[in-house]
Amino acid sequence: KAGVTQTPRYLIKTRGQQVTLSCSPISGHRSVSWYQQTPGQGLQFLFEYFSETQRNKGNFPGRFSGRQFSNSRSEMNVSTLELGDSALYLCASSFVRDNEQFFGPGTRLTVL
Amino acid sequence: QKEVEQNSGPLSVPEGAIASLNCTYSDRGSQSFFWYRQYSGKSPELIMSIYSNGDKEDGRFTAQLNKASQYVSLLIRDSQPSDSATYLCAVNPNAGGTSYGKLTFGQGTILTVHP
Repeated sequence: KAGVTQTPRYLIKTRGQQVTLSCSPISGHRSVSWYQQTPGQGLQFLFEYFSETQRNKGNFPGRFSGRQFSNSRSEMNVSTLELGDSALYLCASSFVRDNEQFFGPGTRLTVL
Repeated sequence: QKEVEQNSGPLSVPEGAIASLNCTYSDRGSQSFFWYRQYSGKSPELIMSIYSNGDKEDGRFTAQLNKASQYVSLLIRDSQPSDSATYLCAVNPNAGGTSYGKLTFGQGTILTVHP
């Protein structure tokens, strides 16, 4: 079975721009969770989607948003980028919402 | 108090020794517990999950859970240099809807296995 895929792998943006990241879960997995990882804050939960619905959201500003499509693929969007948004963005998929989560390779976002 | 705390590292053990990694969590209603391994520059890789009190063994890895003490640990037997990585403890806070899809991670423990 193919693993979780994320595109793009690397992004460089400037402050004020917006960015869209994509995640394709493992086949058959319907839950997709997104995380931000930084050296200072570690791994922090952004939001979770299941059956095209956002079921849970972490403590991030409204500039962070996402969606899920009928094939379970998910995207997250960050608008009005700030320097502090530079991080590794990870998505993870699971077969059911509170089961084991499997991570993709991540998207490394650098905001200049 | 942090929701998930791991023993401060870095932890250095000789090849062939047992590495012991510890984690405590604050939400007594937590149901699911996971250990991830993360190599430098890579994403976290799931190595163990545990849901019930007691021990769970998988090859050289043993996870131990004590819900009464709110404690979960990972033992790595016969440690190899390839085990050198950051180990992350993750907890699904509770069974309620607000925890769906959410894992709360500790800060990680850096393990170095030296030949």
